[in-house]
Amino acid sequence: GAVVSQHPSWVICKSGTSVKIECRSLDFQATTMFWYRQFPKQSLMLMATSNEGSKATYEQGVEKDKFLINHASLTLSTLTVTSAHPEDSSFYICSALAGGTYNEQFFGPGTRLTVL
Amino acid sequence: QQQVKQSPQSLIVQKGGISIINCAYENTAFDYFPWYQQFPGKGPALLIAIRPDVSEKKEGRFTISFNKSAKQFSLHIMDSQPGDSATYFCAASPTQGGSEKLVFGKGTKLTVNP
Repeated sequence: GAVVSQHPSWVICKSGTSVKIECRSLDFQATTMFWYRQFPKQSLMLMATSNEGSKATYEQGVEKDKFLINHASLTLSTLTVTSAHPEDSSFYICSALAGGTYNEQFFGPGTRLTVL
Repeated sequence: QQQVKQSPQSLIVQKGGISIINCAYENTAFDYFPWYQQFPGKGPALLIAIRPDVSEKKEGRFTISFNKSAKQFSLHIMDSQPGDSATYFCAASPTQGGSEKLVFGKGTKLTVNP
């Protein structure tokens, strides 16, 4: 299957700082990527849809000024958590649409964010 | 109407047994039904997927059964192994209308005892 990477795999930051998470499709181009958040023992919660060259579309209840998404190229989308607070601590996962006949969605390995 | 209901929440199976996880949906616009496997601390991995034009798809020990009229689909894991112990998520999405957003079930934690 197609490979999606995320960097960093984990990050610890102080409250009030900003953190950037990168999502890359390694062996395919992805015009659409998604950002999810997952709490322990829960399902994935879609935060936003990231489209190359255009503004991201945020799900209801997700603060777009807090979670900045930039999809600058066909292989890279970034999520910046601005002015992070402890309640932003979570597992953030991106995915990318591989296109083709079945347009499968492939996920990255996730980024564990801990805000102190 | 956007929900995907998944059951059971947890499942314990003996090695060599069959694991069965069920999902049901309401939105008739859904036409893509993948299953994902997730290990602790990792991202979900696409396991197998089906579209409504077939009633069953098999890949190795994993089989999806799909019942369009009942709006249900299930994952069968044959000859379950301890390495299959993970959380499994069913999902659904429409592929028409420009939206490929997946709607996930709540997950099933599978434990395969040796």
